[in-house]
Amino acid sequence: DTAVSQTPKYLVTQMGNDKSIKCEQNLGHDTMYWYKQDSKKFLKIMFSYNNKELIINETVPNRFSPKSPDKAHLNLHINSLELGDSAVYFCASSPRLAGGPLGEQFFGPGTRLTVL
Amino acid sequence: AQSVTQLGSHVSVSEGALVLLRCNYSSSVPPYLFWYVQYPNQGLQLLLKYTTGATLVKGINGFEAEFKKSETSFHLTKPSAHMSDAAEYFCAVSFGGYQKVTFGTGTKLQVIP
Repeated sequence: DTAVSQTPKYLVTQMGNDKSIKCEQNLGHDTMYWYKQDSKKFLKIMFSYNNKELIINETVPNRFSPKSPDKAHLNLHINSLELGDSAVYFCASSPRLAGGPLGEQFFGPGTRLTVL
Repeated sequence: AQSVTQLGSHVSVSEGALVLLRCNYSSSVPPYLFWYVQYPNQGLQLLLKYTTGATLVKGINGFEAEFKKSETSFHLTKPSAHMSDAAEYFCAVSFGGYQKVTFGTGTKLQVIP
């Protein structure tokens, strides 16, 4: 059973197009994330949702819009794709430890987005 | 603000040699600390974590790390490197009251036969 799954694994598209990436977790976690990993492997958080509520938006352009239909799903829609959006996008989930810091994160396999 | 620093973006070791990957954090409150490994074309997976209790923690694949509060460090070690250890390693930290985990910039481990 895959804990955190993402589709598609690869996405190649033209500049200006709109695309979506889907993420699902079957771990029962309340918190889900989107990360962007650039070509230098630097991992940057983009969004975080807790029980379908947006709690972190890390100065991401408005062209990126996350949607969480339920706490097991967090999708990412990107409008008007630009060359600089080319990266690997990771979905992750984690349990919230009562009153304490966030627990370990479980990552999906990633979606490699290439904008031509 | 919470931060984490990984010293050395690239580390090369010979097969069978000691692996030491360095991680330091800044915090005024007790952190939770993590090491993740990323193999080529894969997502990150947890190697080990420190939350509370014993400061020497053991993880998968023979790795271990020691939380040293006085040095604000959480270095990752393995006594004998194996070719299969070649990967990118990320240190990460979270703190109570914060909504996110902060990742270091990663260290690429190369193992030379």
